[in-house]
Amino acid sequence: DSGVTQTPKHLITATGQRVTLRCSPRSGDLSVYWYQQSLDQGLQFLIQYYNGEERAKGNILERFSAQQFPDLHSELNLSSLELGDSALYFCASSVREPGAGSDTQYFGPGTRLTVL
Amino acid sequence: AQKVTQAQTEISVVEKEDVTLDCVYETRDTTYYLFWYKQPPSGELVFLIRRNSFDEQNEISGRYSWNFQKSTSSFNFTITASQVVDSAVYFCALSINQAGTALIFGKGTTLSVSS
Repeated sequence: DSGVTQTPKHLITATGQRVTLRCSPRSGDLSVYWYQQSLDQGLQFLIQYYNGEERAKGNILERFSAQQFPDLHSELNLSSLELGDSALYFCASSVREPGAGSDTQYFGPGTRLTVL
Repeated sequence: AQKVTQAQTEISVVEKEDVTLDCVYETRDTTYYLFWYKQPPSGELVFLIRRNSFDEQNEISGRYSWNFQKSTSSFNFTITASQVVDSAVYFCALSINQAGTALIFGKGTTLSVSS
């Protein structure tokens, strides 16, 4: 158990809908990262937050957004869902501030999203 | 640009065989970090090891060992005396010392160990 929690574990929804994925980092970790794992794209970085502020963006679609709250949990919002958004979404957390030297990221169990 | 290549898509071995998973990385940064993660059939990503670019010392941990060679930009992972529980997808990843430090993953190598 990495100490990172993600809910829900599974999510099934329809095209055009909006969903919210939730992540709680390990105790003491200030950075939260979101990754998407799909069969065709592999594991791809979406976005990172550090202590409530966005710090880096990867291949995140405009239909997707995220935020990190004062208690450090994070939510990833996916809207206008398409079939191609079906994937496993991982949250990871680490301690250090970006740029202070790469820290180890510990991953949650993931949320499997199925868009029908 | 940064890139991680895991040329082996799938490897099948019989229990007790040794197996090496290859990882080749590309980066122009002089400071970078390399990682191996394991994804068992249950789906979670489990951290195995992290190496810094300025530390080429190889490491052994139980049945696992890692060979980091900057000269060939490789960070290979060997499992000695493989076991069925080692069956998983193994990912090599790279991050560079910049704001963000996102992981760049290879495509993964699926290891199947049969009894």
